[in-house]
Amino acid sequence: DTAVSQTPKYLVTQMGNDKSIKCEQNLGHDTMYWYKQDSKKFLKIMFSYNNKELIINETVPNRFSPKSPDKAHLNLHINSLELGDSAVYFCASRHSDIYNSPLHFGNGTRLTVT
Amino acid sequence: AQSVTQLGSHVSVSEGALVLLRCNYSSSVPPYLFWYVQYPNQGLQLLLKYTSAATLVKGINGFEAEFKKSETSFHLTKPSAHMSDAAEYFCAVSATNTGNQFYFGTGTSLTVIP
Repeated sequence: DTAVSQTPKYLVTQMGNDKSIKCEQNLGHDTMYWYKQDSKKFLKIMFSYNNKELIINETVPNRFSPKSPDKAHLNLHINSLELGDSAVYFCASRHSDIYNSPLHFGNGTRLTVT
Repeated sequence: AQSVTQLGSHVSVSEGALVLLRCNYSSSVPPYLFWYVQYPNQGLQLLLKYTSAATLVKGINGFEAEFKKSETSFHLTKPSAHMSDAAEYFCAVSATNTGNQFYFGTGTSLTVIP
């Protein structure tokens, strides 16, 4: 199936640990994003990559580091996890050269830090 | 700069009643507007998008939205609510002068009462 897929779906870990979330899209899109959704469902953009180049880097603790090995993959590594990092993290992608191209979202990774 | 305001964080309707979810936008240039739906424990799914071809846009699952420039609104409607419509709904705006940036509203939680 064509889609944006994220792994893992659930991630439970302790404070201070380092973890990674992986995202892959097979839609042929050139731009990928990471969003954070808090407990009130508010969506906050974190990063965006276009053809492996970082183009959006919002105010996010530098414990969060995105990596894009190619335009179909965007991973998120989080160092020294804190309780406040608990949230659902969504990967998304779109065509950047089509202005009305919508975002296509993955199903999310629910991160719980204990 | 662009922004979106969703009036009413919670909306309850009876099954079979009209659904009206409100979205007002702010944009210095012609906007592209989107409605997304998020079912529990899932990612965001595109319901419909406005791209200036027509002011009344039809989407999936019987939803539609009307772009009203004079009111800077893009309200989402459905003539008859179904139990399966219970979900979180997000309005989003992007524009040609924001590059790849999408701006999301804070979401409206729709409850359908049997």
